[in-house]
Amino acid sequence: DIQMTQSPSTLSASVGDRVTITCRASQTISTWLAWYQQKPGNAPKLLIYQASTLQSGVPSRFSGSGSGTDFTLAISSLQPDDFATYYCQHYKRYWTFGQGTKVEIK
Amino acid sequence: EVQLLESGGGLVQPGGSLRLSCVASGFTFSSYAMTWVRQAPGKGLEWVSAISDNGDNTYYADSVKGRFTISRDKSKNTLYLQMNSLRAEDTAIYYCANYDSLDVWGQGTAVTVSS
Repeated sequence: DIQMTQSPSTLSASVGDRVTITCRASQTISTWLAWYQQKPGNAPKLLIYQASTLQSGVPSRFSGSGSGTDFTLAISSLQPDDFATYYCQHYKRYWTFGQGTKVEIK
Repeated sequence: EVQLLESGGGLVQPGGSLRLSCVASGFTFSSYAMTWVRQAPGKGLEWVSAISDNGDNTYYADSVKGRFTISRDKSKNTLYLQMNSLRAEDTAIYYCANYDSLDVWGQGTAVTVSS
């Protein structure tokens, strides 16, 4: 089975900071990679799919990159609404999630 | 409006059973594979099960294989998850989602397994 490993587990940042979250797959997954944002009490919200395609309605400060085994989610200028937990997900064969990265206020 | 609405969660004793339902609206339910994902309290997301668009193929995480059964009723636009032999570690919020589109999720239903 494919395992997804995110880092860091927690990230402390300030409004306006550029932040990056990485996700590594245990084997190559091409670009079958999505990123979600989740806030407490809510379902996950799709941000990016196919590693780098921005979901409709998602602000352009979010971007994704990578292919094969190494992927990155970047937020160019952190906004107050962005403090949340982020998950990567492999979705080619079944779904597999990373363990999550909590972005908290510094 | 595209929507998924789960129901059927609750408190159940270890070893008990529960059936979750997920009613779909706003899209052609029979055209999409569907899935269940759960989230234990304070933990991350765990994929549980998936079913093909026509219901012919089903898939399970090892943690629930042999205990949970996923099914669907296209006449009712409804997805189900029959959960048997429940354990404390099955305690979680259970979400249904559109497996193919990735972006359609329900609000979740809470399952608590405790004596």
